Amino acid sequence: DVKVTQSSRYLVKRTGEKVFLECVQDMDHENMFWYRQDPGLGLRLIYFSYDVKMKEKGDIPEGYSVSREKKERFSLILESASTNQTSMYLCASSFQGRATNEKLFFGSGTQLSVL
Amino acid sequence: QQPVQSPQAVILREGEDAVINCSSSKALYSVHWYRQKHGEAPVFLMILLKGGEQKGHDKISASFNEKKQQSSLYLTASQLSYSGTYFCGTEGEEGYGQNFVFGPGTRLSVLP
Repeated sequence: DVKVTQSSRYLVKRTGEKVFLECVQDMDHENMFWYRQDPGLGLRLIYFSYDVKMKEKGDIPEGYSVSREKKERFSLILESASTNQTSMYLCASSFQGRATNEKLFFGSGTQLSVL
Repeated sequence: QQPVQSPQAVILREGEDAVINCSSSKALYSVHWYRQKHGEAPVFLMILLKGGEQKGHDKISASFNEKKQQSSLYLTASQLSYSGTYFCGTEGEEGYGQNFVFGPGTRLSVLP
């Protein structure tokens, strides 16, 4: 079975803290993505990566950064967490390149609460 | 630009049919459909490419009308397991993953 694993299911942090969300995939996929999910807004793309050490901004990158040092691992970093970053964060991966017919495999998500 | 999904929510009895629509203001290359059950990861259902194709498996099928820039997901004889939130994702006409964006979702509840 293919798997995208997110390190934490629930996370509670304080405003101003630095937060790391980790994602690991075991499918040797080249592409990895971080989405944020909010009620009524669907899934919005924060950052994505097509290769190791490569990253591109998505639709809502402000306040976030990412790191991809190894092919299987993609980290989302909140440099200084704020309450408006309270959300469900979903990691996803897909096979390779920018092909149009690549389906996404999602992790189960991390519900982050910033107090 | 995010596609529009309608309806926002729908409640059905087991065995009833449902249609979920996804429309975009821009030309599309493909439409993707995903289902997310409560507390779980979104799961891929199908991709439709421009050319006006229709796809389906089991009792879930979809159509894509690129001239109208819209897609419809058809759920026939709904089962309890169909409950969840359905998301469409649209890709710009350039293809290659350009401007891929998800819609806000349609919540489907199937009651016994």
